[in-house]
Amino acid sequence: AQSVTQPDIHITVSEGASLELRCNYSYGATPYLFWYVQSPGQGLQLLLKYFSGDTLVQGIKGFEAEFKRSQSSFNLRKPSVHWSDAAEYFCAVGENTGGFKTIFGAGTRLFVKA
Amino acid sequence: DAGVTQSPTHLIKTRGQQVTLRCSPKSGHDTVSWYQQALGQGPQFIFQYYEEEERQRGNFPDRFSGHQFPNYSSELNVNALLLGDSALYLCASSFRGAIAAQYFGPGTRLLVL
Repeated sequence: AQSVTQPDIHITVSEGASLELRCNYSYGATPYLFWYVQSPGQGLQLLLKYFSGDTLVQGIKGFEAEFKRSQSSFNLRKPSVHWSDAAEYFCAVGENTGGFKTIFGAGTRLFVKA
Repeated sequence: DAGVTQSPTHLIKTRGQQVTLRCSPKSGHDTVSWYQQALGQGPQFIFQYYEEEERQRGNFPDRFSGHQFPNYSSELNVNALLLGDSALYLCASSFRGAIAAQYFGPGTRLLVL
């Protein structure tokens, strides 16, 4: 069965520092991969997605992610974190079997210190 | 252009009661999916509706049921509520159930006492 693992429950970075959030997936075929962000009391906002092609994808708010098939990973990165980036981040894989569903990881809480 | 809307925003029920949550998809979307997000966890897929039929279902008991109306809006019904049903219920819409990214609503926070 498909699954998504986010090894880090929470991460703290200083404002202006770089960020990398880890994500590993288990999926038999070429995966459809997503990163979402959720601020407190908010719904989910899509940061970026990977379906095929260039393995380095750019998203909104200065985020990027790299798909590495050999490592079954889709890590999220940002070169310089802003205080407003503090939120919960979810990696997800899309499964299309007659209907499309998204399987989410447990999330990584990002704290940004001044 | 209104995004995905959900109602109510918050709800308190007691064990054994029934609840109905509502979702209106983003304009132009015809597919609605429902997710349950327990505190501290990622969302879990409940089911997806397209053309007024349930197309895909996650690992949820039959107490969870849904409906989609001709205008593409949807309802999620939960019967015989348990304490463990307390969660944020998220609705997401897309076009033709495609693998294109879904748009999520703000959710309904359900508390079961």
